Amino acid sequence: SYDLTQPPSVSVSPGQTASITCSGDKLGDKYTFWYQQKPGQSPVLVVYRDTKRPSGISERFSGSNSGNTATLTITGTQTMDEADYYCQAWDSPSGVVFGGGTRLTVL
Amino acid sequence: QPQLQESGSGLLKPSQTMSLTCAVSGVSVGSGTYSWSWIRQPPGKGLQWIGYVFPGGVTYYNPSLKSRATISLDTSENRFSLELTSVTAADTAVYFCARGDGLGETWFDPWGHGILVTVSS
Repeated sequence: SYDLTQPPSVSVSPGQTASITCSGDKLGDKYTFWYQQKPGQSPVLVVYRDTKRPSGISERFSGSNSGNTATLTITGTQTMDEADYYCQAWDSPSGVVFGGGTRLTVL
Repeated sequence: QPQLQESGSGLLKPSQTMSLTCAVSGVSVGSGTYSWSWIRQPPGKGLQWIGYVFPGGVTYYNPSLKSRATISLDTSENRFSLELTSVTAADTAVYFCARGDGLGETWFDPWGHGILVTVSS
C-alpha cells in the first residue's frame, strides 16, 4: 500500500509562515491535494493539483510538490488558520490515500 | 456549490449492516464526470477513503474495505448510498459523503457535514 507521512504537529507564531510537509515515494510524480479541518467541521479543500487554489480560498495558502515531498505553505498565518491539515494523493492499486494529518497551532 | 447531506442509522450492533445515504442538491449525480464518494474518520483519528461511484454505476473501493462495502447511485432521488456489512467497533467513525473531481487523480469538494455511526453491543 502507498503511505503518506505528515508531521503530527506544527507550531507557528501569528504573522509568520507555516510549512506542512507530506512525504511519499515519488510523490512528485503524482498530484497532491490539501484539506483543512477545524474541530467539529468537515474538511475543506484548500489546494488541488499541487498548486491550485479553489475559489474562495485565501491567497495565503499555496502548495508545491517535488521529489518525494509536497508542502502546504501558509503565509501570514492567522489564528483562524489553526486546524488539522491533511494531504491526499491517488495511487494504484491503493486508490485514494490520505496522510495522517498535521495539527497546526498558532501561538 | 452543491450541497450534500448524510443520513442513516447512527447506532449499530456488531455484525449488523450499516446503511447511509447522501442527498445531493444543486447538481445531478447521474450526469457529468464527477464521482460520489464516502470517506470516514474514526474519533480523534485521520481520514480514510471508502470508495466512490461514477454516473453509470462504475465503482472503486479501498482494497481494505472492498469485500464489505457497496456504493450505489439513485438518480431518481439524486442521492447515493453506502452499505457496509459485518460491522465491528472498528467501524465506529464519522462518515462523510463528498463529490469527487478529476478523473483518476481525484480530489473532494465539497463535503457533507458528516454523520457519526457508533458500533456497540
